[in-house]
Amino acid sequence: KNQVEQSPQSLIILEGKNCTLQCNYTVSPFSNLRWYKQDTGRGPVSLTIMTFSENTKSNGRYTATLDADTKQSSLHITASQLSDSASYICVVSDRGSTLGRLYFGRGTQLTVWP
Amino acid sequence: EADIYQTPRYLVIGTGKKITLECSQTMGHDKMYWYQQDPGMELHLIHYSYGVNSTEKGDLSSESTVSRIRTEHFPLTLESARPSHTSQYLCATSGQGSSLTTYEQYFGPGTRLTVT
Repeated sequence: KNQVEQSPQSLIILEGKNCTLQCNYTVSPFSNLRWYKQDTGRGPVSLTIMTFSENTKSNGRYTATLDADTKQSSLHITASQLSDSASYICVVSDRGSTLGRLYFGRGTQLTVWP
Repeated sequence: EADIYQTPRYLVIGTGKKITLECSQTMGHDKMYWYQQDPGMELHLIHYSYGVNSTEKGDLSSESTVSRIRTEHFPLTLESARPSHTSQYLCATSGQGSSLTTYEQYFGPGTRLTVT
């Protein structure tokens, strides 16, 4: 069964600190993996998207890594800000589907305290 | 500016009422989607469309229906709302082009529906 598991479920950090969120997936065949940020009451916004051949991709203070062999990804947030408080969702797309089938994780709820 | 619009943003309605959630886009995308999301849970695809006059059911069984008469408009209708329909509904689009572009999805702000 294709699945996407994220950890931790929730995380609280102090402003300015770094943190790393984890994503494990069993989706096969694999096409790409993306991280979304979802603010409370809003729709998800894409942070990064990585294909099989990409190991690391950065978007400002966000750096995503991908290990396609172990089917793991991480999202590292550097020098956290209050505005980073949100749910971070890992999404994996399979190959061979014109729809671009997406498998969603349940997200990690990040809270940044001042 | 290219964007995705959803109305209403919040809706509280009684059981048995008929409701339509609106989704419109100026992205110029052919593919549109409806997702349902409960708090702390993953998004579930309930309907999608490849283009005008094309609609398909998604993975999650839903009592809602959709229509796609115009490229930019993809409304979702519940004929008789029930408390079990209480959820957040997210509309999304994705465009044609390279495979990566095709797989990139853009989400609207969502409609929070509460059925009492």
